[in-house]
Amino acid sequence: KAGVTQTPRYLIKTRGQQVTLSCSPISGHRSVSWYQQTPGQGLQFLFEYFSETQRNKGNFPGRFSGRQFSNSRSEMNVSTLELGDSALYLCASSLGTGRTGELFFGEGSRLTVL
Amino acid sequence: KNEVEQSPQNLTAQEGEFITINCSYSVGISALHWLQQHPGGGIVSLFMLSSGKKKHGRLIATINIQEKHSSLHITASHPRDSAVYICAVRLATLMNGLTFGKGTHLIIQP
Repeated sequence: KAGVTQTPRYLIKTRGQQVTLSCSPISGHRSVSWYQQTPGQGLQFLFEYFSETQRNKGNFPGRFSGRQFSNSRSEMNVSTLELGDSALYLCASSLGTGRTGELFFGEGSRLTVL
Repeated sequence: KNEVEQSPQNLTAQEGEFITINCSYSVGISALHWLQQHPGGGIVSLFMLSSGKKKHGRLIATINIQEKHSSLHITASHPRDSAVYICAVRLATLMNGLTFGKGTHLIIQP
């Protein structure tokens, strides 16, 4: 069974640009969640989607957005990039949410903003 | 104040030692996760708990809901257990994602 796939794995952008990251969940998983990891702040929750609906959203500015498609694949977008957006962005998939939500993580997309 | 506190932040031990990592949280939760992250970034979910105790191989996780505390134990530790261990909780309030501890950096020396 294929795991969670994130693309691209590495990318470099400049301030002011935008970026789109993709996450393909494990087949049959309907929940996808996104996280940002930085050395200073550690892991922080961004969004959670279930069956194309955003269930939860973390405390991030509106420049961070996401969506989930009917095949459960998810994308997140960051517009008007800032230096502080440099981070490892991780997604995780699960069958459900809450108590049924054992998480399976992708390898992450490492974003560097120059 | 961080809602999830882990201790210790750093731990170095000798191969074979019994390891305990602690996680305390301040609010009601619906589930607690223990995660493992090796250098390079990949995260593996070790356990998801809402009550009691779970065991997988040399790893044991316990949770005490009344005391708002969980522990992760590693028996017969091995250098390949060297990693960052992260506790994360899903708050009992609806419409909440995970809140993470800052992690415990574990090094097992041969």
